[in-house]
Amino acid sequence: GAGVSQSPRYKVTKRGQDVALRCDPISGHVSLYWYRQALGQGPEFLTYFNYEAQQDKSGLPNDRFSAERPEGSISTLTIQRTEQRDSAMYRCASSRKNLAGGPTDTQYFGPGTRLTVL
Amino acid sequence: AQSVTQLGSHVSVSEGALVLLRCNYSSSVPPYLFWYVQYPNQGLQLLLKYTSAATLVKGINDFEAEFKKSETSFHLTKPSAHMSDAAEYFCAVSDPDTGGFKTIFGAGTRLFVKA
Repeated sequence: GAGVSQSPRYKVTKRGQDVALRCDPISGHVSLYWYRQALGQGPEFLTYFNYEAQQDKSGLPNDRFSAERPEGSISTLTIQRTEQRDSAMYRCASSRKNLAGGPTDTQYFGPGTRLTVL
Repeated sequence: AQSVTQLGSHVSVSEGALVLLRCNYSSSVPPYLFWYVQYPNQGLQLLLKYTSAATLVKGINDFEAEFKKSETSFHLTKPSAHMSDAAEYFCAVSDPDTGGFKTIFGAGTRLFVKA
């Protein structure tokens, strides 16, 4: 079946603009995760959802960052008033996780959105 | 707080040689541990995971890793490198006591395979 998809794959924006990054998880996957990956670094946890509920947003750097998953499927990560330091690869992952399952469920990653803020 | 340290940002081996990628973790509780591989322009793919069962974990493509609590290590090995193994490898840890959803990744090790 189809994997996790993200759009756009590349986004170039000017400082101060808002951007919305989209993640389409694998069909039926309950849990969805957002990560940010700077060049030469590993992914950094931002937030995650079970169904439409945002369970943990402790990794969001500041209040310019927000995420939603209103219908428990597609998710949007929004960055307001972008700054140059926001430039990075933003990765989304999903897993099957159900209420009875454990956190060891495999996370399937999308190809990422490369954000460049000029 | 949990953390992961990957020793060596770059590792180079000859085709057919042993692959050893090192990972040490810090955790106050028995963690879950993972190795992921990332090929260019692709998402991360899980190679293997340790979840408190057998300490020697076998993954895809003949990779394996051994959880050593006394050394707080989870090194990744493969007996014989193949050219197709050239990629970036990430070690990761999560804490079962807090739900395990928050996965902490190391900085990654890029593996080069020489013909």
